[in-house]
Amino acid sequence: QKEVEQNSGPLSVPEGAIASLNCTYSDRGSQSFFWYRQYSGKSPELIMSIYSNGDKEDGRFTAQLNKASQYVSLLIRDSQPSDSATYLCAVRWGNNRLAFGKGNQVVVIP
Amino acid sequence: GAVVSQHPSRVICKSGTSVKIECRSLDFQATTMFWYRQFPKQSLMLMATSNEGSKATYEQGVEKDKFLINHASLTLSTLTVTSAHPEDSSFYICSAGPLAGGPNTQYFGPGTRLTVL
Repeated sequence: QKEVEQNSGPLSVPEGAIASLNCTYSDRGSQSFFWYRQYSGKSPELIMSIYSNGDKEDGRFTAQLNKASQYVSLLIRDSQPSDSATYLCAVRWGNNRLAFGKGNQVVVIP
Repeated sequence: GAVVSQHPSRVICKSGTSVKIECRSLDFQATTMFWYRQFPKQSLMLMATSNEGSKATYEQGVEKDKFLINHASLTLSTLTVTSAHPEDSSFYICSAGPLAGGPNTQYFGPGTRLTVL
């Protein structure tokens, strides 16, 4: 499987602040990138997909992609306690398979 | 739309028994489904790609004789964990998609938590 790295430890942010998550990937040929949110004991749910270099905004979420640096990030603005979860970066490769990073736990402090 | 279900949601079994997990696409047809496994505090690891009407494709390191996959219809894939042992205890999640003409994404089932005693 392809490598997807999410190296940051748990991230604690005050309510209303911006949470920033980073992800790097190994396959330079990858074209499709996803951020999933996973609550404890639940399966992942898709937050954002991004395919082109630059920024993509959806509500309070912004995904940023830099294919030259093999880097994709997620910003969560105006963080809410309900955003407390693990965020998984995923990269699509070969026959629509997904490779996931280990995830970043986000804790929003009221 | 694009709902994927799994059954059972939770199963506890004795070591040496076999367990079958079902994955259904409720409102769309899925020629391809995927099976993942997630250990505590770990990420999702793809186990295999389930192809309707043909053999599954297993990822490196996954024993095809231990994890039997059957995808007999366009809405149902099953994963059977044969002769389960405590180290097989994990969260098993299936996904399906993308939809023809739809967003380029996979839709995940709610997962099945397997505990082998």
